Amino acid sequence: ETGVTQTPRHLVMGMTNKKSLKCEQHLGHNAMYWYKQSAKKPLELMFVYSLEERVENNSVPSRFSPECPNSSHLFLHLHTLQPEDSALYLCASSHTSGTGVLSVHYNEQFFGPGTRLTVL
Amino acid sequence: RKEVEQDPGPFNVPEGATVAFNCTYSNSASQSFFWYRQDCRKEPKLLMSVYSSGNEDGRFTAQLNRASQYISLLIRDSKLSDSATYLCVVTIPGYSSASKIIFGSGTRLSIRP
Repeated sequence: ETGVTQTPRHLVMGMTNKKSLKCEQHLGHNAMYWYKQSAKKPLELMFVYSLEERVENNSVPSRFSPECPNSSHLFLHLHTLQPEDSALYLCASSHTSGTGVLSVHYNEQFFGPGTRLTVL
Repeated sequence: RKEVEQDPGPFNVPEGATVAFNCTYSNSASQSFFWYRQDCRKEPKLLMSVYSSGNEDGRFTAQLNRASQYISLLIRDSKLSDSATYLCVVTIPGYSSASKIIFGSGTRLSIRP
């Protein structure tokens, strides 16, 4: 496979469930991202990992928990979500220069197809 | 004021027309600029980066105006396949963390035959 892949593509879960979203990139990039896209709203950056270190967390609620075990894989663990968390969750990857908190993200991001999440 | 603003449209133009959109940004420290394209129910894909001197890629021309803090995208001889939502993206260098990446809400373009 090439590019950025995400599984599952669709997910329906109740508010008490625990589920995980998976993202894998085959592009040799060193940074990975989680975005949320809700209807009529711009993409919201949730988490950034650069060289497997989390460098950005845009005040995302703790019911979303990211994990980056290596530079090719990124997970988003979900628990006790709310109906307003229903959205398209997009993963992206890119090359970045610098490391950790000094990393800069000026390069093209490649997005996966997304997971459409519905919370009942 | 939003950090990145775009006219949501929709812009509905005939095939072959020239269409232009602007995107304004509020932070003068913004450093990198991009236009992405997102088709309905698909992921965003990079259309072009925007360079200080302006740049062209076929029918597409991107320009940056730092003084007025906006970027623009011009599409000439529009095709039916250009119908999509165009997203403006701005990155701002961080002070205590990595650079911020901010997406505009997008401008919808619909090309009619």
